[in-house]
Amino acid sequence: EAGVTQFPSHSVIEKGQTVTLRCDPISGHDNLYWYRRVMGKEIKFLLHFVKESKQDESGMPNNRFLAERTGGTYSTLKVQPAELEDSGVYFCASSDGVAGRTGEQFFGPGTRLTVL
Amino acid sequence: DQQVKQNSPSLSVQEGRISILNCDYTNSMFDYFLWYKKYPAEGPTFLISISSIKDKNEDGRFTVFLNKSAKHLSLHIVPSQPGDSAVYFCAASDGAGSYQLTFGKGTKLSVIP
Repeated sequence: EAGVTQFPSHSVIEKGQTVTLRCDPISGHDNLYWYRRVMGKEIKFLLHFVKESKQDESGMPNNRFLAERTGGTYSTLKVQPAELEDSGVYFCASSDGVAGRTGEQFFGPGTRLTVL
Repeated sequence: DQQVKQNSPSLSVQEGRISILNCDYTNSMFDYFLWYKKYPAEGPTFLISISSIKDKNEDGRFTVFLNKSAKHLSLHIVPSQPGDSAVYFCAASDGAGSYQLTFGKGTKLSVIP
């Protein structure tokens, strides 16, 4: 069974540019999550989709971040315009309904974003 | 304000000995606690969890202990193996409506052969 995949693995952009990160969850997982880890800090929750609906977006830092999950399959996270403090590793995770309730989420390898 | 704290950034243990990783939390609404393991350039991988109604959960070489009154949990690995060398994250979920995980900063475990 394929795990969670993320694209690209690395992205280097200049301040003010736009970047779009993609996540493909495990097939059949209705729950999809985005997290971010800024260097030296803890992994922080950004948002949670159930199918195509945003269940919880309390962790989104500001309106420069836009997440979508059209059709309830893959998800994209767009940062526009990117700022220096957006640098970090962005993780996507997915789970089915039961595992999501108990916290067991399957993580992708992450996208390392560097904003210069 | 960090709700999940891992106060030891790193830990070194001899192969075959016990590794004990510690975690403290402040939010009494957390009802599930988890440990994730992370290798470089990979995402975190679920290791073991415990419900707040239990005080111990065991899976092979891994045991998690929960002390609710102290708001403290620990992960015991015995015997430790070189392949256990990784960063270990403590995480918690309140499960109430949001499935979001709150993570600690992680502890880097090095198991020395």
